[in-house]
Amino acid sequence: GQNIDQPTEMTATEGAIVQINCTYQTSGFNGLFWYQQHAGEAPTFLSYNVLDGLEEKGRFSSFLSRSKGYSYLLLKELQMKDSASYLCAVETRSGNTPLVFGKGTRLSVIA
Amino acid sequence: DTEVTQTPKHLVMGMTNKKSLKCEQHMGHRAMYWYKQKAKKPPELMFVYSYEKLSINESVPSRFSPECPNSSLLNLHLHALQPEDSALYLCASSQDSLSGGLVETQYFGPGTRLLVL
Repeated sequence: GQNIDQPTEMTATEGAIVQINCTYQTSGFNGLFWYQQHAGEAPTFLSYNVLDGLEEKGRFSSFLSRSKGYSYLLLKELQMKDSASYLCAVETRSGNTPLVFGKGTRLSVIA
Repeated sequence: DTEVTQTPKHLVMGMTNKKSLKCEQHMGHRAMYWYKQKAKKPPELMFVYSYEKLSINESVPSRFSPECPNSSLLNLHLHALQPEDSALYLCASSQDSLSGGLVETQYFGPGTRLLVL
């Protein structure tokens, strides 16, 4: 089966750094995605990781450890507009569903 | 250009109505998806089209009927829906559905917010 875990909610202060963790147990792992979703809007693609290590893209970075089934999304210099849900999603080669989403982490950025 | 468009943005329909949701992309993507998303839940996959053929149907009730007229368009025909079908319906596309193990980024449209009365 496929199982993806991430915290339900997090709160962080404007200007700070926050790390959102994601652990997964899936078969046929192909890659891991992070999406950002503001309330009532569609998910927007942030990053994907295939190999172990850190991928940096501006204020956002994503890390993957395939052996540990673990990823995190790091957001630096938080801004109020970063308040959103962050969805961890695993692309699999097996099973019927090509992309399996975690339940999402709702991040609230406060002043 | 990574744009997927969807119409309408909002839709209110009765349980006896027939309506259609439309999705369009011009990125040359050969895989298109329909997802359903309830509030504070992750998207749930409904259908996958690959090269204009239905490749995945996640046991979706027949009151939802997908159609892929060509490689750029994806429709979702709705008939005799129930109030619990009220949700955000998201369309997405990717280069391919899963080709040779390469990672396929899915790009989402803005969604259609559906309310069934």
